Amino acid sequence: AQSVTQLDSQVPVFEEAPVELRCNYSSSVSVYLFWYVQYPNQGLQLLLKYLSGSTLVKGINGFEAEFNKSQTSFHLRKPSVHISDTAEYFCAVSPLFGNEKLTFGTGTRLTIIP
Amino acid sequence: DTGVSQNPRHKITKRGQNVTFRCDPISEHNRLYWYRQTLGQGPEFLTYFQNEAQLEKSRLLSDRFSAERPKGSFSTLEIQRTEQGDSAMYLCASSSRTSGNTGELFFGEGSRLTVL
Repeated sequence: AQSVTQLDSQVPVFEEAPVELRCNYSSSVSVYLFWYVQYPNQGLQLLLKYLSGSTLVKGINGFEAEFNKSQTSFHLRKPSVHISDTAEYFCAVSPLFGNEKLTFGTGTRLTIIP
Repeated sequence: DTGVSQNPRHKITKRGQNVTFRCDPISEHNRLYWYRQTLGQGPEFLTYFQNEAQLEKSRLLSDRFSAERPKGSFSTLEIQRTEQGDSAMYLCASSSRTSGNTGELFFGEGSRLTVL
């Protein structure tokens, strides 16, 4: 079984400031890691994913995340946020083998302050 | 590619009534998932289809819930005798086996259920 922990339920950040959204996971098997974003009144969109290879992955809209196996973390970062980044961000994992069933964290609401 | 489509987008019903949601996945996708999302929580897995076969069900899916995918294309999720605790956003997602298990699910915009 897998579990995902997003300790920060809400993160307010000033526009153009950097941001880090934290994600830790627990799993008895190897997993793929994902960040999904949900803009107001919209469905979930894939932001980025880690499958294998380089532990630093880049996604859309200038976001990146770093996989740290020893710390079982997959934190999301952006060097300079924009008002349009206001959204709910979900970290998720799925097992390497089998179907793509995702286990999500509880989400982090990112609010950009003008 | 028109994306994953869900209907209705919003449903308000009285406790005890039955409701049905429909999901049309991306046309070439053979895997279909249902999730439930309540306020302040992440999406929770409900059930999964590969083609028309329902291969996995969560214990969250009580006997009042039933999902079908009769021809391996669209899917329906029916909730019988709704309860206030069923109020949530019901999300549908699809994926293509041909891309392997890359974990990428394509989500619809969801169907929001409010039970009065």
